[in-house]
Formats: sequence, C-alpha cells, structure tokens
Amino acid sequence: GENVEQHPSTLSVQEGDSAVIKCTYSDSASNYFPWYKQELGKRPQLIIDIRSNVGEKKDQRIAVTLNKTAKHFSLHITETQPEDSAVYFCAAGSGYSTLTFGKGTMLLVSP
Amino acid sequence: DTAVSQTPKYLVTQMGNDKSIKCEQNLGHDTMYWYKQDSKKFLKIMFSYNNKELIINETVPNRFSPKSPDKAHLNLHINSLELGDSAVYFCASSQARSYNTQYFGPGTRLTVL
Repeated sequence: GENVEQHPSTLSVQEGDSAVIKCTYSDSASNYFPWYKQELGKRPQLIIDIRSNVGEKKDQRIAVTLNKTAKHFSLHITETQPEDSAVYFCAAGSGYSTLTFGKGTMLLVSP
Repeated sequence: DTAVSQTPKYLVTQMGNDKSIKCEQNLGHDTMYWYKQDSKKFLKIMFSYNNKELIINETVPNRFSPKSPDKAHLNLHINSLELGDSAVYFCASSQARSYNTQYFGPGTRLTVL
C-alpha cells in the first residue's frame, strides 16, 4: 500500500517568513495530492491540491509542487501570518484508492 | 447547510460501556470514512465504506463496527470501551473516482474514564 512520509514534524517561523513542508510517497499509481490544514480543535480542511498532470499549483500565498519522478511534493507558504499557525497534513491517493495521510506538521508563526 | 456533520461533539463515558457516533453527509458522496486522531495528531484511517465495499484497517479492534443505513450515513459503534479508545474521531466523505477529495466532519471527542 501507499506510504507517506512528512517532514518536518514541527516548524517555527517568524511572521513574514516562508515555510516549506515536504512529503514523499511510495506508490507510483498515486495521482492526487491534497493538503489539509487543521486549526486547534477544528476539522482538517482542504487548502490546496495537485494532480499528477501538473507540476505546480498556486493559490495566493500557498503553492504546491510535485515531482513524480522523485515521488515527492511540497507545500510552500509565503509571507506567513499568525493565522497560518496550525497542523498541516499532506496526503496521497487516487480516484480508486483511499487517501494516505502524512503524520502532520505543526507550524507555529510568531508575530 | 453543513456538508458533513457528526453527533455528539463530545462523549464522556465509563470503561466497558457501548457507545455510538453518528455521521451524515449531504454532499451526495458515495464513500464515507472514519478516522481516529490521537493526542499526537496522527490521522489513522479506521474504515472506508461505499455501497459496495467495506474496507477495514486490519489494526482496528473488532470492538469497532461501522453501520450504514443509507449512502448519506455512516455510524460508528464501539463496544466495551477501553481507556485507549479516548481520541477524536472524524467522519469524512468523498466521491470515488473523482480524485477522492475528502471532506471532514467536525469531530467527536471521546473520553473514556
């Protein structure tokens, strides 16, 4: 089955800095890579996703890159703000298999 | 118009009791899931279910059982609750063969005393 590794487990940055979270996956059949943000006491919510037919996708301050050859994908957050503080999960899967989640990254943005 | 809803939000009970958590989705999805999130924040899938197939994570004790009265509902029954069952349980849903984007419910915090 799929195995997703996520790093780092915790990440502290100053407001305005960039943050990068990296994930690797094992199953070459995976073609869908979403990222979820979970604020304290809340549900995981989808913030951006990428499909295997593109290498990069951007939505305002958030971008995701995908390298299918190397089987890794990354989340980039620019100009971080305190409200970006949360746990971020990467996941990998396809339309024919359930998602496999990474173990999460706790991002702390200090004012 | 909550897309995925769960009840109750909090559940406090004694060891050995049997309890249920309800989940409903109004997204018209055909697949539903149950996840357990422990204190380390790991999201561990317990079950995935559509009207054709139940997939059980083999590490889940058989004290846990999903029950689906229809496509919009997937309830979680837990028998003989143990201290280690304390966690937050999330229900989720997706449309299979549509890249499986999963939408989560608000979670149920279960505390076993």
